[in-house]
Amino acid sequence: NAGVTQTPKFQVLKTGQSMTLQCAQDMNHEYMSWYRQDPGMGLRLIHYSVGAGITDQGEVPNGYNVSRSTTEDFPLRLLSAAPSQTSVYFCASGSGGVNTEAFFGQGTRLTVV
Amino acid sequence: QQQVKQSPQSLIVQKGGISIINCAYENTAFDYFPWYQQFPGKGPALLIAIRPDVSEKKEGRFTISFNKSAKQFSLHIMDSQPGDSATYFCAASSTLRGANNLFFGTGTRLTVIP
Repeated sequence: NAGVTQTPKFQVLKTGQSMTLQCAQDMNHEYMSWYRQDPGMGLRLIHYSVGAGITDQGEVPNGYNVSRSTTEDFPLRLLSAAPSQTSVYFCASGSGGVNTEAFFGQGTRLTVV
Repeated sequence: QQQVKQSPQSLIVQKGGISIINCAYENTAFDYFPWYQQFPGKGPALLIAIRPDVSEKKEGRFTISFNKSAKQFSLHIMDSQPGDSATYFCAASSTLRGANNLFFGTGTRLTVIP
């Protein structure tokens, strides 16, 4: 049972580089989201999707793009990486209904130098 | 602006003791309050959750107490064990915004000493 799978687990980028963090889930969940976790700040919502073709911004969307072409995949794109985007990124999925659990991936630790 | 305030930042408890973590919120639209547990190198995992129509929910050694009028909720871990050592996050969301769109507290690092 894979659940939510994130790749890569670790990544180092130079300022200005672009990259895509991958997220896939095999639970047929309609809802998927991206969070970033920074020391002393908890997790903050970046972008989310309530189904294929539908995305919306969370609390901290600047510098990130998303798209949702399939139910299973929800990639997060950094167009021009900045040191402020150094963080641990978590993808989550859920059915999105009342009283439902969000299932998190193992995280991607990103360092921008 | 932190929508959910959590305290303490860290907590050390003896084995068998009670661990208490507190959270407060302002947005009265919140109607779902989960607690997540996170071990180093892992993603958060749901521990227990409550809706504001009840004042308490218990699952094994874990209890959420909820005070709607004070806009506060807390996690109690009874008979704390070394295996409970982890970071705990409270969170809140509203059904209108999407129950999986969570606002998290800043986390409490719990250490249970054998």
